[in-house]
Amino acid sequence: DAKTTQPPSMDCAEGRAANLPCNHSTISGNEYVYWYRQIHSQGPQYIIHGLKNNETNEMASLIITEDRKSSTLILPHATLRDTAVYYCIVRVAKYGGATNKLIFGTGTLLAVQP
Amino acid sequence: ETGVTQTPRHLVMGMTNKKSLKCEQHLGHNAMYWYKQSAKKPLELMFVYNFKEQTENNSVPSRFSPECPNSSHLFLHLHTLQPEDSALYLCASSQISRGESYTFGSGTRLTVV
Repeated sequence: DAKTTQPPSMDCAEGRAANLPCNHSTISGNEYVYWYRQIHSQGPQYIIHGLKNNETNEMASLIITEDRKSSTLILPHATLRDTAVYYCIVRVAKYGGATNKLIFGTGTLLAVQP
Repeated sequence: ETGVTQTPRHLVMGMTNKKSLKCEQHLGHNAMYWYKQSAKKPLELMFVYNFKEQTENNSVPSRFSPECPNSSHLFLHLHTLQPEDSALYLCASSQISRGESYTFGSGTRLTVV
């Protein structure tokens, strides 16, 4: 699976949009971009994933550049409860076997300030 | 009960003890996973089970012994652990597909004394 690069930390004001960047310049055509977050001492929580097109759900939006070498997770109106470590993970989109493992990096600690 | 449930939430054990961590998923998923998260470190994948069969052992010491009796339950048997094994142990499950997402439990906070 391709490697990802994320800033170690970011701040965001409460109520503003939080834009979390991720570089994945070695991504292959069959690899998805996933985002998870982990609030302190809890299990990670799935946020969103995409292959080529931009995606949106009730939690966030995912913007993937046309060359797929980077992406941005957008939390439209950050709250204090969004303070967490956010992980960008690239993973092969292939059915089953050893390819279904999810490997976490160090992520970005997003601190939402009041 | 929905989602992925892990018990116990907290566990303190001596180095000579034997204990087990339990994970149960109520999502009908066919894959389950154990992860370890030590202080200030990323999550480390330990074991992968697909359709109850172990498909990944990420060089985990033999003092950690997983068991998957059915697709809904996953255990991690612990014996003669070391203090450096103190960590948050997380279980996850997924439905194997091209773009599946994992559902994680809340974890077991293990302290080895």
